[in-house]
Amino acid sequence: EIVLTQSPGTLSLSPGERATLSCRATDSVSSSYLAWYQQKPGQAPRLLIYGASNRATGVPDRFSGSGSGTDFTLTINRLEPEDFAVYYCQQYGSLPQTFGQGTKVEIK
Amino acid sequence: EVQLVQSRAEVKKPGESLRISCKGSGYSFTSYWISWLRQMPGKDLQWMGRIDPSDSYTTYNPSFQGHVTISIDKSISTAYLQWNSLKASDTATYYCARRVNGYDALWGPGTLVTVSS
Repeated sequence: EIVLTQSPGTLSLSPGERATLSCRATDSVSSSYLAWYQQKPGQAPRLLIYGASNRATGVPDRFSGSGSGTDFTLTINRLEPEDFAVYYCQQYGSLPQTFGQGTKVEIK
Repeated sequence: EVQLVQSRAEVKKPGESLRISCKGSGYSFTSYWISWLRQMPGKDLQWMGRIDPSDSYTTYNPSFQGHVTISIDKSISTAYLQWNSLKASDTATYYCARRVNGYDALWGPGTLVTVSS
């Protein structure tokens, strides 16, 4: 199975700053079938990005995804207070689908 | 409104059986596959498997195959996740999600399952 490694484990930033989150795969993710999810404490994950770079409905345009093959990035421009959360990447190009271990974006 | 409603939290003993549910509403239930996912306390997410509500075709993550059963009752737009013999290590929050083109687009709120003697 494809193993996804996210870095850093924790990102300490201030509101208004830019967050850059990395997701690296042990094998190429076919057709850029890579998604990003946001999870806040006590809540279910919420889809942000699918197909590596497509924003889900209702997701603000400060969130953007990029990458292909084995290296993917989620960028959050101008962090808002509600963006502090844990972010997971998921590959859905091969079974079993797998997730990264998550990156926590916390307030500095 | 499109939503997935999951059954309430459960507390069980090791060796007991359990079935939790996920009811879809606001959309054509048989048009979208359903995933089940696990999140152990303080841990990351694991994909357990998926089911096609139109014909009950199921695919399991090998890590979960044989320990859980995923099923559907399309007459009531409900998916199920079932254990015949729970272990303490099954303690987790279980999410169902509506799949779109392979990714998990809409998640239910989760069901917390606690297995303790």
